[in-house]
Amino acid sequence: GENVEQHPSTLSVQEGDSAVIKCTYSDSASNYFPWYKQELGKGPQLIIDIRSNVGEKKDQRIAVTLNKTAKHFSLHITETQPEDSAVYFCAASNRNTGGFKTIFGAGTRLFVKA
Amino acid sequence: NAGVTQTPKFQVLKTGQSMTLQCAQDMNHEYMSWYRQDPGMGLRLIHYSVGAGITDQGEVPNGYNVSRSTTEDFPLRLLSAAPSQTSVYFCASSYDQTGKNSPLHFGNGTRLTVT
Repeated sequence: GENVEQHPSTLSVQEGDSAVIKCTYSDSASNYFPWYKQELGKGPQLIIDIRSNVGEKKDQRIAVTLNKTAKHFSLHITETQPEDSAVYFCAASNRNTGGFKTIFGAGTRLFVKA
Repeated sequence: NAGVTQTPKFQVLKTGQSMTLQCAQDMNHEYMSWYRQDPGMGLRLIHYSVGAGITDQGEVPNGYNVSRSTTEDFPLRLLSAAPSQTSVYFCASSYDQTGKNSPLHFGNGTRLTVT
């Protein structure tokens, strides 16, 4: 089955700096890669996603890149702000053959220091 | 729209007790799932359902039962609680478009402690 590894587990940056979180997946059939942000006491919320027919996607200060050959995908946050502090999860899924399972990485706790 | 609603928010059980975690969504989503979240292990899929009357196992199904009698509701049952089931449980749903993925919408979780 699918396995998703996420690094680093903790990331501390200065306000205004960039943050990068990296994930690798094992199932080459995975074709959808969402990223979720989880704030304290709440459920995860989608912040950006990318499909396997696209190499990069941007939404304001957030971007995601996908390298299908290497089975890597990354989240990039530019000009970080204190409100970006949260736990971020990457995930991978394949609705065509994967049995409708979304598999998550272990999460990255991001601290943005003011 | 309330989205995905989970009850209760907190629960303490003794070993061997049973209980049902409730999950309801009002978005007419076909797909629903249950995850557990443990420190350092991310979110692990327990069970999921692609529509009323259909359920299947995820990564960590042992000790849990589910049923899906309506589109809106997807309860998770613990038949005999064990300390290893102490965790935060999240229900999630998505609009299932055949052959296309869509993002999950999560509830705010149930924090379960088994003593």
